[in-house]
Amino acid sequence: EDQVTQSPEALRLQEGESSSLNCSYTVSGLRGLFWYRQDPGKGPEFLFTLYSAGEEKEKERLKATLTKKESFLHITAPKPEDSATYLCAVQAHDYKLSFGAGTTVTVRA
Amino acid sequence: EPEVTQTPSHQVTQMGQEVILRCVPISNHLYFYWYRQILGQKVEFLVSFYNNEISEKSEIFDDQFSVERPDGSNFTLKIRSTKLEDSAMYFCASSESRGRNTEAFFGQGTRLTVV
Repeated sequence: EDQVTQSPEALRLQEGESSSLNCSYTVSGLRGLFWYRQDPGKGPEFLFTLYSAGEEKEKERLKATLTKKESFLHITAPKPEDSATYLCAVQAHDYKLSFGAGTTVTVRA
Repeated sequence: EPEVTQTPSHQVTQMGQEVILRCVPISNHLYFYWYRQILGQKVEFLVSFYNNEISEKSEIFDDQFSVERPDGSNFTLKIRSTKLEDSAMYFCASSESRGRNTEAFFGQGTRLTVV
């Protein structure tokens, strides 16, 4: 069974204080690893897809990286508007997404 | 920017009643999905749909659930006889393909409350 574990569960940062979120996974036949952002009461908002170990993607203050066992989401110099829950999901041979529980990031001004 | 739209945003229903949740996927997308998120828990896969039939479904998607694409734009999830434990956020998603561009785009969700 596909397993996705995210850590930490919660992260409180000062504005400008860079940090990283971890997503470790076990899946047979990884097709892709996805990062989503979710605001309270809203649907997941697509951020990145990573397909193979060594791949990196960037968007504004966010950078996602992938190894054979885990992915990191680096937040550089975060702002209060980066406060959200960040979800990691893996897609295996059956194409369904298996989500982690998420990391809730709070950025204080 | 194209988006997945879901209606209603909030639905309250009596236990045992039937509900239909509606979704309009992104227009050029071919694959459609329903996920749900019970309060405080992970987002869980329910079902995927392609070419007017179910592609995959999870153990959660039992006989009380059904999906339909009644016309060229809508995609619906029906729960035949709701239970208290069906209370959750239900998200519709769509994707363009299952090739390289497989990212699924999600709607804002329907909060279903069964009382």
